[in-house]
Amino acid sequence: QQQVKQSPQSLIVQKGGISIINCAYENTAFDYFPWYQQFPGKGPALLIAIRPDVSEKKEGRFTISFNKSAKQFSLHIMDSQPGDSATYFCAASKQTGANNLFFGTGTRLTVIP
Amino acid sequence: DAGITQSPRYKITETGRQVTLMCHQTWSHSYMFWYRQDLGHGLRLIYYSAAADITDKGEVPDGYVVSRSKTENFPLTLESATRSQTSVYFCASRDGQGEAFFGQGTRLTVV
Repeated sequence: QQQVKQSPQSLIVQKGGISIINCAYENTAFDYFPWYQQFPGKGPALLIAIRPDVSEKKEGRFTISFNKSAKQFSLHIMDSQPGDSATYFCAASKQTGANNLFFGTGTRLTVIP
Repeated sequence: DAGITQSPRYKITETGRQVTLMCHQTWSHSYMFWYRQDLGHGLRLIYYSAAADITDKGEVPDGYVVSRSKTENFPLTLESATRSQTSVYFCASRDGQGEAFFGQGTRLTVV
């Protein structure tokens, strides 16, 4: 059973547009929801993360929206740039300890100049 | 340099051979993880470790063995490599705030 479901698998956006990636999770015990960005040949790197006590977190052009009742969260990339072209993974876990990060299957974002 | 170092970066091996992938962290994070990344599956946990000499199975542990005699090292061994183990392998550690830090990955091909 997949703990975190992510969509879409791929996304093509014009430069300056808004990229939106959605995720849904199953386990209500999760209290940490990060997004990771991965460039080809590199390991994933933390982009932004949210805890369920807030409904939105913004860092620069990147915003996480969180809906606890629906068990969904999404990443919005405003003013998308070609340099944002990468694979994005959502994840969920309990924040501390050896608890596993359960990852979505990834979204390959391409921003067209 | 601080961070997680994986070696080798690329490896080609034959079916049935034993292969060990190395992982070293320069922090003193207690928690370390091994993931495999396959198209359509995202990142799947193979094994994890809460501290030296404490390891546990993840989602896809079959065919793999880990050890952790020192906090900074967490090697992953494929006892008898199979073609289904062709993948990109990532080692990660987690800090006290929950952030996971990943290595550059090892691309393993089993022929």
